Amino acid sequence: EDQVTQSPEALRLQEGESSSLNCSYTVSGLRGLFWYRQDPGKGPEFLFTLYSAGEEKEKERLKATLTKKESFLHITAPKPEDSATYLCAVQDNDMRFGAGTRLTVKP
Amino acid sequence: GAGVSQSPSNKVTEKGKDVELRCDPISGHTALYWYRQSLGQGLEFLIYFQGNSAPDKSGLPSDRFSAERTGGSVSTLTIQRTQQEDSAVYLCASSLAPTGGYGYTFGSGTRLTVV
Repeated sequence: EDQVTQSPEALRLQEGESSSLNCSYTVSGLRGLFWYRQDPGKGPEFLFTLYSAGEEKEKERLKATLTKKESFLHITAPKPEDSATYLCAVQDNDMRFGAGTRLTVKP
Repeated sequence: GAGVSQSPSNKVTEKGKDVELRCDPISGHTALYWYRQSLGQGLEFLIYFQGNSAPDKSGLPSDRFSAERTGGSVSTLTIQRTQQEDSAVYLCASSLAPTGGYGYTFGSGTRLTVV
């Protein structure tokens, strides 16, 4: 059965303190790995799609990378406005989501 | 519209009552999805519509749950005889194509509370 596991569940950073979020997965036929950002009271907002091992995507302070078993979302010099829950999802025949990492960035 | 619209945004209902949740997807998006999100849990897939094809209902948790999509646009998720364990945020999403290279566009959800 396809599985998506995100760690840590919660992460507290000081502004400017870089870190990484992890998404490990098992899927029979990966058609894409997706990262979303979710703010309280809102639906998830699409960030990146990665398709193959070695691929990287960047957007502002975020960089997503992909290996055959996991993906990392690297956050460089985060700001308080980066505080949100970050969700990872893998697509085989359907899209399966992890439980997310709740990121808090303190000023 | 500019985004996926869901209504109501909040719904409190008594145990045993039926509820209807509505989703208005982005115009032109052929794929529409319903997910459920409980506190501290990942998004749980419920049902998927693609064009005029028969929907993928494999995620519906019981026969109390049903959904329809009229005219390839608006969708309604119906929960009959609601139970307290049905309390969650119900999210609708749409995409241009099933593989969603650009990801799904989600609505803000309906928060359902069964008391």
